[in-house]
Order: sequence, then C-alpha cells, then structure tokens
Amino acid sequence: AQTVTQSQPEMSVQEAETVTLSCTYDTSESDYYLFWYKQPPSRQMILVIRQEAYKQQNATENRFSVNFQKAAKSFSLKISDSQLGDAAMYFCAYRNSGAGSYQLTFGKGTKLSVIP
Amino acid sequence: GAGVSQSPSNKVTEKGKDVELRCDPISGHTALYWYRQSLGQGLEFLIYFQGNSAPDKSGLPSDRFSAERTGGSVSTLTIQRTQQEDSAVYLCASSLATGFNYGYTFGSGTRLTVV
Repeated sequence: AQTVTQSQPEMSVQEAETVTLSCTYDTSESDYYLFWYKQPPSRQMILVIRQEAYKQQNATENRFSVNFQKAAKSFSLKISDSQLGDAAMYFCAYRNSGAGSYQLTFGKGTKLSVIP
Repeated sequence: GAGVSQSPSNKVTEKGKDVELRCDPISGHTALYWYRQSLGQGLEFLIYFQGNSAPDKSGLPSDRFSAERTGGSVSTLTIQRTQQEDSAVYLCASSLATGFNYGYTFGSGTRLTVV
C-alpha cells in the first residue's frame, strides 16, 4: 500500500516571501501521479498542482512549483511571493496510474500561516 | 450544477442515531467519491461510484456505513447507529472520468458531530 508523509504539521511565512512544504511517499510503482491540494476554512479541497511521475520536468503553476525527486520519493511544494490568501491546509496526495485507478492517498497535511 | 454540493453543511447528532449525508455532483460527472477527514488527519477513502454502481466499497469502515447513488447523480452516505468516532468531515468529489486528465472537484463537506 502506498503511504504519504508530510513531516511539517505547521509552517509560517512572511507575506511576499517563499516557503517550501515537504512531502515524501512510499510506493513500489514506477508510474503514478502526485498532487498538492489546498483546503481553506471553507473546507473545499482545491487542486494546486499535479505531476506525472514519468515526466522529469517539475510542474509549475504561476507562483506554485514542485521539486519532484523520484529516486528519493520526494515531492515538495514551493510557494513564491506568498499572499494572505495562501493561508490554508495543504495536502500532498498520491494516485496510481493504472487503468481505472482513481483512489487518492493523502498525507496528514501542513497548516500554512501567512504573516502580514 | 456549477460545483459539487453537499448537505447539510453541519450536522450534530446523538450517539446511536442514523444520519444521511447528501452529495450532488457536477452534472455529467460519472465518477463520484466519498472521503472522510477526521480531526488532524488527511482524507481517507470511503467509496467510489461509477454511474450508479459502487465497484469499490473497500474504504467503508464498518457495516454501519452504506452509500447509494441514483440516476447517475445524487449520492447519499448513510451512517447507522452513529458512534463518537464517526465525528469527522465527510467530503464528496466527482470527476468526468477516472483518467489523470479528469481531475476531482470536491464539495465543501459535511461536518458531522456525534454527541
């Protein structure tokens, strides 16, 4: 079974600064997908960024980028130019890539605070 | 609808009572998922629907939990004889299909408190 570990229960960052959230995972699969989700107080999970394991290039979405280290099974999220609206819980998630695979395995989350 | 709608938003129930949680997915989304988020935990998979069928119920924690989906649309998660450990946020998500390019859209969840 796959597992996802987020070792930082809480993080804080000054507005406009950069912060990196850590995620490691364990799998015996060679192809899979990784995701970062944001959960604001509204509780709705919002997809921030996603990565396909067979792609070596790190995914980027505006101020959000990942550092994907396949050999180390690490998938960290970097948030640049942090904004007050980035304050939320962030969850790392894993999904197999096989046909019909749909189940997401989540880490326990990192609570990010943004200091004005 | 424009998004995934869940009701009620919050539910407080007495231990031993039955509860029903509703999920109204995005129109046309054939796949529907239920997850549970306990305090301080990540999301835990409960059940997956493809159309009205549930090919994977492996995450349901006990036989007190059941779910159905009708008309390929609305889904109801039922918890019988609720226990305090059932207190959690129950999140529903839907997707057009199950491939990587078909992302999940989550609802805002139902916070269930069993007293």
